[in-house]
Amino acid sequence: QQQVKQSPQSLIVQKGGISIINCAYENTAFDYFPWYQQFPGKGPALLIAIRPDVSEKKEGRFTISFNKSAKQFSLHIMDSQPGDSATYFCAASREQGYQLIWGAGTKLIIKP
Amino acid sequence: DSGVTQTPKHLITATGQRVTLRCSPRSGDLSVYWYQQSLDQGLQFLIHYYNGEERAKGNILERFSAQQFPDLHSELNLSSLELGDSALYFCASSVGLFTDTQYFGPGTRLTVL
Repeated sequence: QQQVKQSPQSLIVQKGGISIINCAYENTAFDYFPWYQQFPGKGPALLIAIRPDVSEKKEGRFTISFNKSAKQFSLHIMDSQPGDSATYFCAASREQGYQLIWGAGTKLIIKP
Repeated sequence: DSGVTQTPKHLITATGQRVTLRCSPRSGDLSVYWYQQSLDQGLQFLIHYYNGEERAKGNILERFSAQQFPDLHSELNLSSLELGDSALYFCASSVGLFTDTQYFGPGTRLTVL
């Protein structure tokens, strides 16, 4: 019940295309869903986060879509660029004071 | 630059040895988290400290221990090192607890020979 399942493990997208990474969870008490981006040799950095009171959140080319009934959330990267090549982690948590449960990560490669 | 510093950047040691990794959180952050990332693997949460107190434990081995000092810096101690302990160790900090943004340091790459 504590797991967050992330897919795919790796993804290759052409420049200008849409990259989509999916995460699924079981614990209905989760109410905070962040995405972190990690470039090679660097620590992860928060990219965008959503809470279940909204179904979508957009920041520039990055959008989180949230489906509460399906217990799924996804990251969409529009007009994907080579600079977006990185590993993306989804995570989930319930309230303050509970640890983030991390997905396994998706290695995204954008081909020029 | 996240504002979180970690030392050393690289560490090479032998099996059976003990090492200490150090983390200084961002100014004002009370939480420190430690993560392990093996080659091409995900992040494994090890342990969380908040204002000097241990708040949560993840998949931390008994050979590993950590503490957060009154000045809020933290140290992760790894002992009786094994080859499988070779990994990137990240420290992250946040203002409060888990649902605050975690700011990650650059990591310490540990190689056990």
